[in-house]
Amino acid sequence: GAVVSQHPSRVICKSGTSVKIECRSLDFQATTMFWYRQFPKQSLMLMATSNEGSKATYEQGVEKDKFLINHASLTLSTLTVTSAHPEDSSFYICSARDSSANTMNTEAFFGQGTRLTVV
Amino acid sequence: AQTVTQSQPEMSVQEAETVTLSCTYDTSESDYYLFWYKQPPSRQMILVIRQEAYKQQNATENRFSVNFQKAAKSFSLKISDSQLGDAAMYFCAYRRAYSGAGSYQLTFGKGTKLSVIP
Repeated sequence: GAVVSQHPSRVICKSGTSVKIECRSLDFQATTMFWYRQFPKQSLMLMATSNEGSKATYEQGVEKDKFLINHASLTLSTLTVTSAHPEDSSFYICSARDSSANTMNTEAFFGQGTRLTVV
Repeated sequence: AQTVTQSQPEMSVQEAETVTLSCTYDTSESDYYLFWYKQPPSRQMILVIRQEAYKQQNATENRFSVNFQKAAKSFSLKISDSQLGDAAMYFCAYRRAYSGAGSYQLTFGKGTKLSVIP
């Protein structure tokens, strides 16, 4: 099946620094990718929809200047957490859908997730 | 806006027995998709089963089946012959069925932690 690769799987950074997380679709093209955030023992909350070649669409309450999303190619979206603080520590998960699928009957695939710890 | 509610934070089942996880949702749309995802300790989200709202027949995938009650907006997951590997967080999720803006976004419930007792 289709694979979505997310990197890194774990990252620890110092407060005030920026961290980039990559989400790649390995064997399909994805014009749309999604970024979710999951707090410990909680559900996944959609942060933003990443659109290839255009600006990302952010959910209400998500700071676009804090969480920079770039979707420069059909197989790669990046999430950069800028000026990270301890409260940004969380589990971030991306998902991607095969753009060549021409029906609504095709699901997105999830990456393995990235555990971010800001110290 | 759509909401998904899972009222059971934790459940346990004896190995080889059957367990049912509950999920209710709220939507004003008539066509949509419902899902159950499994998240094991590795945190990888795994699609367990999917139901299209326009289909009356309940979806089944081997030991996993759903009871979809559209009028009641209920979507429960039944796991038969439970195995140790079934232990995980289970999330119920909703997705719109149209291709406009916001399509393919998933709205998740808060999850149910399932433990399987040997």
